[in-house]
Amino acid sequence: NAGVTQTPKFQVLKTGQSMTLQCAQDMNHNSMYWYRQDPGMGLRLIYYSASEGTTDKGEVPNGYNVSRLNKREFSLRLESAAPSQTSVYFCASSDGSGVLRNEKLFFGSGTQLSVL
Amino acid sequence: GEDVEQSLFLSVREGDSSVINCTYTDSSSTYLYWYKQEPGAGLQLLTYIFSNMDMKQDQRLTVLLNKKDKHLSLRIADTQTGDSAIYFCAEKSGGGFKTIFGAGTRLFVKA
Repeated sequence: NAGVTQTPKFQVLKTGQSMTLQCAQDMNHNSMYWYRQDPGMGLRLIYYSASEGTTDKGEVPNGYNVSRLNKREFSLRLESAAPSQTSVYFCASSDGSGVLRNEKLFFGSGTQLSVL
Repeated sequence: GEDVEQSLFLSVREGDSSVINCTYTDSSSTYLYWYKQEPGAGLQLLTYIFSNMDMKQDQRLTVLLNKKDKHLSLRIADTQTGDSAIYFCAEKSGGGFKTIFGAGTRLFVKA
């Protein structure tokens, strides 16, 4: 009954270091998403993947890259971390797509990232 | 552009009803959602409403949608301490894949 699994749960980086956040879902969902959550700002979409083999920029993509490795896995990479990337990162997946489909999102438990 | 706004805090006494309000700007929204986030956890879908409905009831939860005013509310009857959490309003953008989230309302329930 795993759902969406994210690793790691916590990470501290120094400015300029790189890292990859991993996400996997076992619900056979087509769409996967990366969000960041900052106080008072809700969730902002970084990148999404509507289906295996496709990725698209969201609202705040600068400083990030993604890879949809297969249908299950969607990773987020910070090439050169900056203090502005200190945030809580959530991966999500959904089985809905397109304009009229009900986009129920299933979230992982989050990664708390601090960049010093 | 699309925007979702909600108040940041709400405090109620145990046993009272809670009403969390939200306004959105995208008139082409198809679905509107309420998600709940407990401390240290990800968001969980609580309930949703299709844009051609006015009301949806699900046990202690009642969702009201005023499409003309672009106003959504979530009423929790008989609020319990376990309902203390952050509640996010969200809309499915009519333009495609994006779900737009509000900043979240932190609900405090006093025993």
